[in-house]
Amino acid sequence: DQQVKQNSPSLSVQEGRISILNCDYTNSMFDYFLWYKKYPAEGPTFLISISSIKDKNEDGRFTVFLNKSAKHLSLHIVPSQPGDSAVYFCAASAGDDKIIFGKGTRLHILP
Amino acid sequence: NAGVTQTPKFQVLKTGQSMTLQCAQDMNHNSMYWYRQDPGMGLRLIYYSASEGTTDKGEVPNGYNVSRLNKREFSLRLESAAPSQTSVYFCATSGPFPTIYFGEGSWLTVV
Repeated sequence: DQQVKQNSPSLSVQEGRISILNCDYTNSMFDYFLWYKKYPAEGPTFLISISSIKDKNEDGRFTVFLNKSAKHLSLHIVPSQPGDSAVYFCAASAGDDKIIFGKGTRLHILP
Repeated sequence: NAGVTQTPKFQVLKTGQSMTLQCAQDMNHNSMYWYRQDPGMGLRLIYYSASEGTTDKGEVPNGYNVSRLNKREFSLRLESAAPSQTSVYFCATSGPFPTIYFGEGSWLTVV
């Protein structure tokens, strides 16, 4: 049973436009959410996180929005740059050490 | 990926063979993890260890064993490798919850 769902396997966005990556979760006990970015042949790297007590967190070009009632979060990247082309993983935790990841969304930034 | 070292980076096994993936971290973190990444399946948690001397099953523990040898080291053992265990394996560690740091990955092929 998938607790963290990323339903779009891939997404293509024009350079300079906004990229929006979506994530849904089913476990209402999750209270911390993270986004990771992964390039081929490398380990994932941390991008941004949000606690369930917030509904928005910003870090430069990256903003994560959390809608607890809908059990949905999204990552906004604006403006999108060529180096943003990667696989993005959504992850969640229920406050313990167990961190569950989604299947990932491959983002292509088009020139 | 600094601070988390996995060995070997590449390995080919025959069905039924055993092997151990080694992971060491120099970040003085308590928690360590083993994930596997498969096409279309994202990152799935195999086992994790919240502290030295403790280990817990993740989402896909069958066919694997782990040892938390000390605070620095967390090994993953395949006792009798199967083709279904062909995957990329990532070790990770987390300190200040819940941001986790990944190693560069170990590519395992079981033929």
